[in-house]
Amino acid sequence: KQEVTQIPAALSVPEGENLVLNCSFTDSAIYNLQWFRQDPGKGLTSLLLIQSSQREQTSGRLNASLDKSSGRSTLYIAASQPGDSATYLCAVFSGYSTLTFGKGTMLLVSP
Amino acid sequence: DGGITQSPKYLFRKEGQNVTLSCEQNLNHDAMYWYRQDPGQGLRLIYYSQIVNDFQKGDIAEGYSVSREKKESFPLTVTSAQKNPTAFYLCASSGTPSGNTIYFGEGSWLTVV
Repeated sequence: KQEVTQIPAALSVPEGENLVLNCSFTDSAIYNLQWFRQDPGKGLTSLLLIQSSQREQTSGRLNASLDKSSGRSTLYIAASQPGDSATYLCAVFSGYSTLTFGKGTMLLVSP
Repeated sequence: DGGITQSPKYLFRKEGQNVTLSCEQNLNHDAMYWYRQDPGQGLRLIYYSQIVNDFQKGDIAEGYSVSREKKESFPLTVTSAQKNPTAFYLCASSGTPSGNTIYFGEGSWLTVV
């Protein structure tokens, strides 16, 4: 059974810092990996989708990498801003018709 | 605007009651999902449907039921058999079950009173 782990569980940084969020998964036979953002009491917003054949995806200040063989993905946020404060979740699609989610990393960016 | 609409946003259930959460999408997606989120926990899959008139149990289907009579609608009923229903419920959809971005609604809060 696929398991997804996110480290750290919480992270607090001052504005302007570059930061990395980590995601690992136990079964490397995945179709894709997605990173989501969730604001308190809200639904999830998709940030980046990486197909299994891709190594990375970029959107603005966000860059996500995927190393399928080692079961790892990182989300890099450049020049963090207070508006980036949210919980970030990663999820993998392993071919069982559903996504498996990690528990998320709660990010706080202080002005 | 295209998207997923969940209602109600907040719902209170008395002991022994069944309640139904609505989920409607106008994205023309085939696949729809229901997830449950508890504080400090990841999302757990309740039910999913890949096509009209077909649905599959997820990891925590006990005490829940669904229907998929129309492509755009996937309501979730929380029955009295669900012993701990207080949670945040999220509906989602995707164009196909694999390879596509999954989109989420804004969620519904269910509290047992």
